[in-house]
Amino acid sequence: QITLKESGPTLVKPTQTLTLTCTFSGFSLSTSGVGVGWIRQPPGKALEWLALIYWNDDKRYSPALKSRLTITKDTSKNQVVLTMTNMDPVDTATYYCAHSWGATAFDIWGQGTMVTVSS
Amino acid sequence: SYELTQPPSVSVSPGQTVSITCSGDKLGDKYVCWYQQKPGQSPVLVIYQDYKRPSGIPERFSGSNSGNTATLTISGTQAMDEADYYCQAWDRSTRVFGGGTKLTVL
Repeated sequence: QITLKESGPTLVKPTQTLTLTCTFSGFSLSTSGVGVGWIRQPPGKALEWLALIYWNDDKRYSPALKSRLTITKDTSKNQVVLTMTNMDPVDTATYYCAHSWGATAFDIWGQGTMVTVSS
Repeated sequence: SYELTQPPSVSVSPGQTVSITCSGDKLGDKYVCWYQQKPGQSPVLVIYQDYKRPSGIPERFSGSNSGNTATLTISGTQAMDEADYYCQAWDRSTRVFGGGTKLTVL
């Protein structure tokens, strides 16, 4: 059974850097074809894809946020980390991590973690 | 940047068939998937690679993708299908979501 869980701060100040960790089980990020992505959703708004890292360390970023995002993996710990710099109140959202296989969909999602950006 | 357009809302009567569209430039050249999201819950994948259903998704959910439009169709809609639905396009560099469609089962 595949599970993913997001963790990180619930409150960050403007201009700070956000670091979120996705801890997963039930699969290995060293298996060919597997990826883990990050998606966010501001309150009452649509989903927005942020970043994706594959088993071979290939990384993809949203063009709109690429300059602010870094995604890394620690295969031994079954974790994927997303950092987002220069946080702003508009970045207030629920942040999800999700499993991908075959590079065509996010088939299993975590429960999400709410991050508020406020001074 | 690539954009996907969905109608903000769609309504259907129980037992009827409803279609939700997702439009984008040459969308038929990309893979499309669809997610269902109920209030307070994480999204659930209901269609991937244009028309395939994950295990556990009812047969009443189907998908298609051609030209500039992908379509999610729900046949025999049930009250439990009331939710927000999001399309997502995938190709080598694109993984963009549509703006979402709120499905109301009247």
